[in-house]
Amino acid sequence: KQEVTQIPAALSVPEGENLVLNCSFTDSAIYNLQWFRQDPGKGLTSLLLIQSSQREQTSGRLNASLDKSSGRSTLYIAASQPGDSATYLCAALDYGQNFVFGPGTRLSVLP
Amino acid sequence: NAGVMQNPRHLVRRRGQEARLRCSPMKGHSHVYWYRQLPEEGLKFMVYLQKENIIDESGMPKERFSAEFPKEGPSILRIQQVVRGDSAAYFCASSPLGSRATNEKLFFGSGTQLSVL
Repeated sequence: KQEVTQIPAALSVPEGENLVLNCSFTDSAIYNLQWFRQDPGKGLTSLLLIQSSQREQTSGRLNASLDKSSGRSTLYIAASQPGDSATYLCAALDYGQNFVFGPGTRLSVLP
Repeated sequence: NAGVMQNPRHLVRRRGQEARLRCSPMKGHSHVYWYRQLPEEGLKFMVYLQKENIIDESGMPKERFSAEFPKEGPSILRIQQVVRGDSAAYFCASSPLGSRATNEKLFFGSGTQLSVL
């Protein structure tokens, strides 16, 4: 059974710092891995999707990498801003046709 | 192109009543997923439906919970005889291709916050 974990559970950084969020999955048999952002009381917004054959994807200040063999993905946020404060979740699409979510990392960027 | 629409946004029920949560997927999407989120917890998969079919309901409790996605109209998540433990945010997501595609992507609604008094 696929399990997805994320560390750290919470992170607080000053504005302008570069930071890395980590996502680990136990079963490397995945179709893709997707990173989401969730603001308090809101739904999830898709940030980046990395297909199983890809190593990384970039969008603006965000870069996500995928290492299937080690069961890891990272989300790199460059030059963080207060508006980046949110909970970040990763989800692995496994061969069982399920999107399995991690518990999320709660990010606070302090002005 | 409207996004995934969920209603109501907030739903208050007393113990023993029924709760009906609605989800209209994005235009052109025929795959719907329901998730439940408790405070400070991640999203827990409940059920995956395609038009008129339940594909995977392994995350949904066997009793009191049911889901449907008819040929016409929104997907409905129905909770009968609600209890306080059902209080949570329920999110619906839709996708265009069905989850076997490697570029399959989920699009989420804003959720329904269910409160059971």
